Amino acid sequence: GAGVSQTPSNKVTEKGKYVELRCDPISGHTALYWYRQSLGQGPEFLIYFQGTGAADDSGLPNDRFFAVRPEGSVSTLKIQRTERGDSAVYLCASSLNEGGYLHFGNGTRLTVT
Amino acid sequence: GNSVTQMEGPVTLSEEAFLTINCTYTATGYPSLFWYVQYPGEGLQLLLKATKADDKGSNKGFEATYRKETTSFHLEKGSVQVSDSAVYFCALGASGSARQLTFGSGTQLTVLP
Repeated sequence: GAGVSQTPSNKVTEKGKYVELRCDPISGHTALYWYRQSLGQGPEFLIYFQGTGAADDSGLPNDRFFAVRPEGSVSTLKIQRTERGDSAVYLCASSLNEGGYLHFGNGTRLTVT
Repeated sequence: GNSVTQMEGPVTLSEEAFLTINCTYTATGYPSLFWYVQYPGEGLQLLLKATKADDKGSNKGFEATYRKETTSFHLEKGSVQVSDSAVYFCALGASGSARQLTFGSGTQLTVLP
């Protein structure tokens, strides 16, 4: 596609539930990033993939958060046992390679009730 | 660790006014510096960047100069337009890489006709 696509655009879930957020990067982009943006704050880095492997997951807040990119293209961010504090906009970005410009998607707004 | 301190908003200006949004940073090494913009309903977009001291990034009439001596990267525009209304984020990345960006908290700009 023309840009980074994230689905769903909005997700409301109950505390304790499991959610999956999907990211379709720009075709041909080898690097993929997940960020989280809380209300009134700038995005915070979560995890970075180069190809299929997570090259840097130092930003994941705890072991309830996990992300995969099995074929080096689409990525899924998975959150187990959601908490109200997980409510935020989750942003995905891709770049042609590690040193390239980041192209961001419009994000998934997650609300945990 | 790395950090970015950004001028708090919101900022409201009349069309054709001069804009400055202050940004200072703390980082080890020689980071790259970026300004991202988020228009209403859209994803983050790279506005401009600078990769070394004294570099000036420019785009769409916006400019920012990488000042190592003052650890600053202030965003300026000589004459703002209504279409510049958006949220502006200052960010830094590790030397030579946009892999793990550290963002400021963002500045909401509203330009009135």
